Amino acid sequence: QQQVRQSPQSLTVWEGGTTVLTCSYEDSTFNYFPWYQQFPGEGPALLISILSVSDKKEDGRFTTFFNKREKKLSLHIIDSQPGDSATYFCAASMSNYNVLYFGSGTKLTVEP
Amino acid sequence: ETAVFQTPNYHVTQVGNEVSFNCKQTLGHDTMYWYKQDSKKLLKIMFSYNNKQLIVNETVPRRFSPQSSDKAHLNLRIKSVEPEDSAVYLCASSRNTGQLYFGEGSKLTVL
Repeated sequence: QQQVRQSPQSLTVWEGGTTVLTCSYEDSTFNYFPWYQQFPGEGPALLISILSVSDKKEDGRFTTFFNKREKKLSLHIIDSQPGDSATYFCAASMSNYNVLYFGSGTKLTVEP
Repeated sequence: ETAVFQTPNYHVTQVGNEVSFNCKQTLGHDTMYWYKQDSKKLLKIMFSYNNKQLIVNETVPRRFSPQSSDKAHLNLRIKSVEPEDSAVYLCASSRNTGQLYFGEGSKLTVL
């Protein structure tokens, strides 16, 4: 059973454009939602995260939105750069339970 | 800066052989994990260890066994590999809750 669903599977945007990735989840007990970025040949690395008590968190060009009622979250990247080309994973966990459940990933390509 | 170290980075072997992957973290974290990442990039939790105690085992096949000597080390042994075990195995660590720090991965190819 897929705990966290992510779309799209792949995405190409032009340099300077805005990227939007989305995820949905089933388990209402999830309250921590990180986004991880993975480059080829490397392990995933935390990009930004949000707790269920918030609806928005911003870090530079990256913003994550959380909608508790709809059980959805999204990642927005403004002014996308070729260096942002990577695979992005949303994830979810319960605060008292360490395990992260990952979405299936979105391969982002930013064309110059 | 890498703080979760995995060896080997690549391993090619034949069906039925035994394989071990090693993982060490220098972050002083209490919890370590093994995730499996398949050819479609899907990441699935296999094991989680907190202070040498197994706290999660997501029904992986019995041929997989985690081994921990202390909270900084968590190894993964595969007793008799199968073709479907071909994947990248990612080790990670964390404090009690929150951010996972991943290693670079150990890619296994089973012929």
